[in-house]
Amino acid sequence: GAGVSQSPRYKVAKRGQDVALRCDPISGHVSLFWYQQALGQGPEFLTYFQNEAQLDKSGLPSDRFFAERPEGSVSTLKIQRTQQEDSAVYLCASSTSGGATGELFFGEGSRLTVL
Amino acid sequence: AQKITQTQPGMFVQEKEAVTLDCTYDTSDPSYGLFWYKQPSSGEMIFLIYQGSYDQQNATEGRYSLNFQKARKSANLVISASQLGDSAMYFCAMREGFHGNKLVFGSGTILRVKS
Repeated sequence: GAGVSQSPRYKVAKRGQDVALRCDPISGHVSLFWYQQALGQGPEFLTYFQNEAQLDKSGLPSDRFFAERPEGSVSTLKIQRTQQEDSAVYLCASSTSGGATGELFFGEGSRLTVL
Repeated sequence: AQKITQTQPGMFVQEKEAVTLDCTYDTSDPSYGLFWYKQPSSGEMIFLIYQGSYDQQNATEGRYSLNFQKARKSANLVISASQLGDSAMYFCAMREGFHGNKLVFGSGTILRVKS
């Protein structure tokens, strides 16, 4: 596709349920990022992949959060045993490696609401 | 310490006038990049403009310009000839290191353009 695609756009989960959020980056983009954006706040870094390697997961808030990118393209962010504080928009972004500016291209996000 | 500070939670501007959105940053790395993104109500983050720490001139992209004052560690966004479609959330972000792998975002400024 032309841009970063995320699904589902909206997800409502009951507390304690597991959720999986998918990101399809721009074709050929080596780098992939996940961010969490709480209401009215700026995006907060969660994790970073270069191809299939997860090089930085310092932003994952707990061991309930897990991300993978097994073939170096599509990525999945999984949240186990969801809690109300997990309610946020989860943004995926991709970029080329060695780009002049390192500009990130973002998807429209997946809005998670935990009841 | 806060890396990116946006002190204006909200701003109003009259259509066709110019507006400046403030951003200050904190880093000890001599190599860094500064970005501005626009986030309309649809949620997608749209890249506007980039300034590298070694760039001698202020960046410009159409109606957007970045007032880069390195000694003061500020990177204000100037939007000229405001349009109704400019109403959105605006985020300043920084990447540390020339090949840094993530952007750190500020808390954002909501801009409303009045007709």
